[in-house]
Amino acid sequence: GIQVEQSPPDLILQEGANSTLRCNFSDSVNNLQWFHQNPWGQLINLFYIPSGTKQNGRLSATTVATERYSLLYISSSQTTDSGVYFCAVEETNSKLTFGKGITLSVRP
Amino acid sequence: DAGVIQSPRHEVTEMGQEVTLRCKPISGHDYLFWYRQTMMRGLELLIYFNNNVPIDDSGMPEDRFSAKMPNASFSTLKIQPSEPRDSAVYFCAFTGGVISAGELFFGEGSRLTVL
Repeated sequence: GIQVEQSPPDLILQEGANSTLRCNFSDSVNNLQWFHQNPWGQLINLFYIPSGTKQNGRLSATTVATERYSLLYISSSQTTDSGVYFCAVEETNSKLTFGKGITLSVRP
Repeated sequence: DAGVIQSPRHEVTEMGQEVTLRCKPISGHDYLFWYRQTMMRGLELLIYFNNNVPIDDSGMPEDRFSAKMPNASFSTLKIQPSEPRDSAVYFCAFTGGVISAGELFFGEGSRLTVL
């Protein structure tokens, strides 16, 4: 099956800093999504982004499908951004495969 | 997100007992998924349905696990008999419907502890 690698595995930021989270995948995909799991365990969909760039407030994402990677940018980080960020890719039939996640801690 | 309601939110049971987890998704969804999350294995897809029909159950760990979707607004995941290694958070998720154009939306999960 498809492999999804996320990096770095852990990230610690000071509040106000910017960061880039990376997702590499091993094969062509129909779709790619980014999720945030907050410290209470809730999984929130951030972006549905099979290709191109999208922005939502302080967050933006870019997927370069031909080169098999996606980037999630967080600008002016806040403590509420803490949690785990997952990348998930769909090969076929709406079945998503998740990466292991990136644990982000934003310190005040 | 109110698009899918899961129950119970927390369950503690003893090894050998039957466990039933429930999911009520938003109406009009296309696909419904059951995921399991553990520290060791991360997020794993167990089974998914399209229009109430099971499409792929290859992620169901063994025969002790079963899932049903008797109608568009209800699904169950059953473990019988339960074992300590089944302890995990079980998520129900969906795509489609009025709020999803392909995005996956998760319920809040059911945290299962098997003693």
